[in-house]
Amino acid sequence: DAKTTQPPSMDCAEGRAANLPCNHSTISGNEYVYWYRQIHSQGPQYIIHGLKNNETNEMASLIITEDRKSSTLILPHATLRDTAVYYCIVRVDRDDKIIFGKGTRLHILP
Amino acid sequence: SAVISQKPSRDICQRGTSLTIQCQVDSQVTMMFWYRQQPGQSLTLIATANQGSEATYESGFVIDKFPISRPNLTFSTLTVSNMSPEDSSIYLCSVAGPSTFFGQGTRLTVV
Repeated sequence: DAKTTQPPSMDCAEGRAANLPCNHSTISGNEYVYWYRQIHSQGPQYIIHGLKNNETNEMASLIITEDRKSSTLILPHATLRDTAVYYCIVRVDRDDKIIFGKGTRLHILP
Repeated sequence: SAVISQKPSRDICQRGTSLTIQCQVDSQVTMMFWYRQQPGQSLTLIATANQGSEATYESGFVIDKFPISRPNLTFSTLTVSNMSPEDSSIYLCSVAGPSTFFGQGTRLTVV
C-alpha cells in the first residue's frame, strides 16, 4: 500500500503558485520523498525528490517539514501545461520500486 | 537520463489471445519494473524484473498470466496471456535510477 496521503483534486489559477500537500506520517529515517506527475496519456515524469532539506530545481520546489511527516510541492508559476495527476511517493533509494497512491489531480484554470 | 522505447504503443486484441510488450532501454540498467494502469486509475506494480533471475511479482499478479523475460540489461518483455476484457489497460515499463524513467506505455484493448 502507498505510504502517502494526498487530496484527490485541486484547482489553481494560471500564473499563480500551485501548492500540493502530501502527508507521509509513517516515513522512515532513510526514506526519500519523491514527486512525479502524469500528464494525460503519458508515462509518469520525475519532478523532484528530497530527504530532509528543501529542494529546488527548474521545475519545482519541495518543502519538507522538520519532522518529515509531510511535504509540499510548489509549482511557482503554474501554466495550463501543468494540468496533470501529481504523485507523492516515499522510497528508500533510487533502485527501490515505486508504489503509487491515488495522487492529486491538479487543474490549472485559465 | 534513460530513454525507454515501448512497443507496441497500442493494440486491439481478441479475448483468449496473448500479447507480448517489449521495453528497450538505451543504457544498461539493473532493475526494470512493469506497471498496469486501468482506466481512470493509478499505476499498479505488476512485477520487478532483474537480469539473470526470475521476476518478482506483486500480490495479485502471477507468472502464468504475466510472464516476463529479462534476457539482458537493456531489454525486457511482458506477456499478457489468455486475455479478457478486464485486461484492457495501459501497461508501462520503467527503469530504476535517480529519476526512475517510464516508457510511454502500451494501450491495450481486449474485445
